[in-house]
Amino acid sequence: GAVVSQHPSRVICKSGTSVKIECRSLDFQATTMFWYRQFPKQSLMLMATSNEGSKATYEQGVEKDKFLINHASLTLSTLTVTSAHPEDSSFYICSARASGGAGEQFFGPGTRLTVL
Amino acid sequence: KNQVEQSPQSLIILEGKNCTLQCNYTVSPFSNLRWYKQDTGRGPVSLTIMTFSENTKSNGRYTATLDADTKQSSLHITASQLSDSASYICVVRTDKLIFGTGTRLQVFP
Repeated sequence: GAVVSQHPSRVICKSGTSVKIECRSLDFQATTMFWYRQFPKQSLMLMATSNEGSKATYEQGVEKDKFLINHASLTLSTLTVTSAHPEDSSFYICSARASGGAGEQFFGPGTRLTVL
Repeated sequence: KNQVEQSPQSLIILEGKNCTLQCNYTVSPFSNLRWYKQDTGRGPVSLTIMTFSENTKSNGRYTATLDADTKQSSLHITASQLSDSASYICVVRTDKLIFGTGTRLQVFP
């Protein structure tokens, strides 16, 4: 199956700093990438959807100026958490879809963010 | 409102036993239903995908069923192994993926 990687797998940062998380589709071109957030014992919550070369579409309640998403190529999307605060501590998971609306979505292994 | 509900919330079984996880959904329009396994601290991994016309689909020791009339699905795990300990998430696709809250399965020796 298709492989999606994330880097870093875990990051600890101080409050007020910015953190960038990378998501890569390793063996396919992802026209659409998704970013999810998962709090302990809860399900994945979609934060935003990004299509290569265009601006991301954010879900209601997600601050686009705080969670910057860049999908500059068909194999790479980045999520930058700006001015991180302890409440941003969470498990961030990306997902990539190959093509069209019916394409399978493949999930990355996730990034554990801890803001001190 | 599109919703996916799973039961039980958590389950403990002994190694070698079988178990069945349930998923009820109210999602429209329905595209497909997926079961994922998510190990702690990892991303979800797809187990099965079923479309409207499919009633049963197997993947090794995992067998998923779908009743599109009653909008129910189940995931049956046969001869459980310690490595089956994980969260199992039912996901229904409409114009986006609607995630259930998952069932936390623990398999003890």
